[in-house]
Amino acid sequence: VVMTQSPLSLPVTLGQPASISCRSSQSLVYSDTNIYLSWFQQRPGQSPRRLIYKVSKRDSGVPDRFSGSGSGSDFTLKISRVEAEDVGIYYCMQGIYWPPAFGGGTKVEIK
Amino acid sequence: QVQLVQSGAEVKKPGASVKVSCKASGYTFTNYGISWLRQAPGQGLEWMGWISAYNGNTYYTQRVQGRVTMTTDRSTSTAYMELRSLRSDDTAMYYCARDTPAEGAAATEDFWGQGTLVTVSS
Repeated sequence: VVMTQSPLSLPVTLGQPASISCRSSQSLVYSDTNIYLSWFQQRPGQSPRRLIYKVSKRDSGVPDRFSGSGSGSDFTLKISRVEAEDVGIYYCMQGIYWPPAFGGGTKVEIK
Repeated sequence: QVQLVQSGAEVKKPGASVKVSCKASGYTFTNYGISWLRQAPGQGLEWMGWISAYNGNTYYTQRVQGRVTMTTDRSTSTAYMELRSLRSDDTAMYYCARDTPAEGAAATEDFWGQGTLVTVSS
């Protein structure tokens, strides 16, 4: 399964929204009817951190300005108002076809 | 709280082996699996393989199959990843992540270690 993210780079003004797209080459609906699409944030010099799982569920401690949506094979991560600490690279990942696969990443930077 | 603490940076020569450890705490080790991932400098994330901490079952990608061995020590809640016949393109940050306990089930990668830099250079 191939995961394709866009854009590659996303310059954003502080306080403005940002949106990242992720598309999978196959449907990500699992046998239990859940969709196992996750989003990860990797700040500069840090390990990746999971933000969103099952398309739209936020992990503990993740600010509510982050939201995930989508269905089937098209997914979106939105940041409602970008803050300075949101700078980094964001990856989507599908977890139902082994091996799990990541998108190429989207670099979010401040204009 | 869940923590995965990895061993320190390594410098190896081409052809050598490296073994990275990942000590888990804050949860029941045998209720989950551990995945290993890597990130070459300036590149994206590559999932390498998985081991069940319950029964030791493993799954390796074709790219590393034959050169990698993943093991666990349930007595110390530690996972290990050994990579042999190192090449320059194995230079990367290696991460462990908590994952599903069952092969073929939905992968989760919900908690990650801090990373171990492995440099392969003559």
